[in-house]
Amino acid sequence: DAGVTQSPTHLIKTRGQHVTLRCSPISGHKSVSWYQQVLGQGPQFIFQYYEKEERGRGNFPDRFSARQFPNYSSELNVNALLLGDSALYLCASSLGPVNEQYFGPGTRLTVT
Amino acid sequence: RKEVEQDPGPFNVPEGATVAFNCTYSNSASQSFFWYRQDCRKEPKLLMSVYSSGNEDGRFTAQLNRASQYISLLIRDSKLSDSATYLCVVSTGGFKTIFGAGTRLFVKA
Repeated sequence: DAGVTQSPTHLIKTRGQHVTLRCSPISGHKSVSWYQQVLGQGPQFIFQYYEKEERGRGNFPDRFSARQFPNYSSELNVNALLLGDSALYLCASSLGPVNEQYFGPGTRLTVT
Repeated sequence: RKEVEQDPGPFNVPEGATVAFNCTYSNSASQSFFWYRQDCRKEPKLLMSVYSSGNEDGRFTAQLNRASQYISLLIRDSKLSDSATYLCVVSTGGFKTIFGAGTRLFVKA
């Protein structure tokens, strides 16, 4: 069975640009969460979506947005990129909002 | 105070040693608890869920103390392959999942 997949693997953007990251959950999982991880820190919670609705949001500015599609895949959008947005962006899927989460390999975003 | 706090690392232990990691959380409404391990430049992988009754999986034992808002992970008979960062994870009923900063473990021959 396929695990969580994310695309792209790596991405380089310039300050002020916009980026869209994509995630496909494990088949049967209805919840997708997004995290930002910078070197030396644990993943920081950005969003959780369950049944196509936003159910939880971390302390990130409005430049960060996301959505979940009818097939439960998800997109994370970041507008007006800053240098500080450079990080590994992780997507995790789970059966429900409080179940074990399984992570994809991440998208490494570099903002120059 | 951070929502989830872990022992600062790194822990350097010889093969065969027993090592314990501790974690405290601040939100008493937290519902689910997990330990993940993360290898360098890889995604976190679920190690085990943590239940009030405690649970064991081979060399790994996890404990939860809701009264003290404390979670622990014990690794017995450490192997070289156990070298990684161990992340304590807490989920609240408000659909928010918080990771600790992680504790690095180095197991040496």
